[in-house]
Amino acid sequence: GAVVSQHPSWVICKSGTSVKIECRSLDFQATTMFWYRQFPKQSLMLMATSNEGSKATYEQGVEKDKFLINHASLTLSTLTVTSAHPEDSSFYICSARRLAGGLGTGELFFGEGSRLTVL
Amino acid sequence: QKEVEQNSGPLSVPEGAIASLNCTYSDRGSQSFFWYRQYSGKSPELIMFIYSNGDKEDGRFTAQLNKASQYVSLLIRDSQPSDSATYLCAVWRPNTGNQFYFGTGTSLTVIP
Repeated sequence: GAVVSQHPSWVICKSGTSVKIECRSLDFQATTMFWYRQFPKQSLMLMATSNEGSKATYEQGVEKDKFLINHASLTLSTLTVTSAHPEDSSFYICSARRLAGGLGTGELFFGEGSRLTVL
Repeated sequence: QKEVEQNSGPLSVPEGAIASLNCTYSDRGSQSFFWYRQYSGKSPELIMFIYSNGDKEDGRFTAQLNKASQYVSLLIRDSQPSDSATYLCAVWRPNTGNQFYFGTGTSLTVIP
């Protein structure tokens, strides 16, 4: 079953509004979560790395004031798209790393994704 | 040079054949290697991971790793139409902020 849950799966909003997407690790604690964006027929684009209890690390070109990330607990990270515009319409996917005992590597699991449409 | 490179395809194989997907990576510090499958409109799902040189088998899937050549592959035996998807290769490097690096994916079509 799913080990990372993302909500909502679909969201439609008006231009200028803000949208919050939640990402939860279901049966493990995740100190690090990742947020990706994917446009149709394109590859995953890492937006930011979310670190529990500290500020997120954003990739070059990603506006931190527009894409607010909060990782307040070991099982929850949120992405808020502020003042959304039609060009923000995309498939947003979170992932969380489940550590594998003492190996230090861990597997990366993805949430189901959230499809945002801004009208 | 990209961190992780994959042939974008499309790769087409007949049903029942072996599909071979390849991936190369640039950094010798990479320690673990992952294969994900992504259906159109869905998020990636983990198929296998490997971190030791050699082969690792799981059902119809076999991952192969050659660290000397910086090469990792995924073989799918007895390919089924339901295997048609984009396959993403990912590598993990310790001590980097990003840590996971993804290829752009190879599109596989299994023809009935």
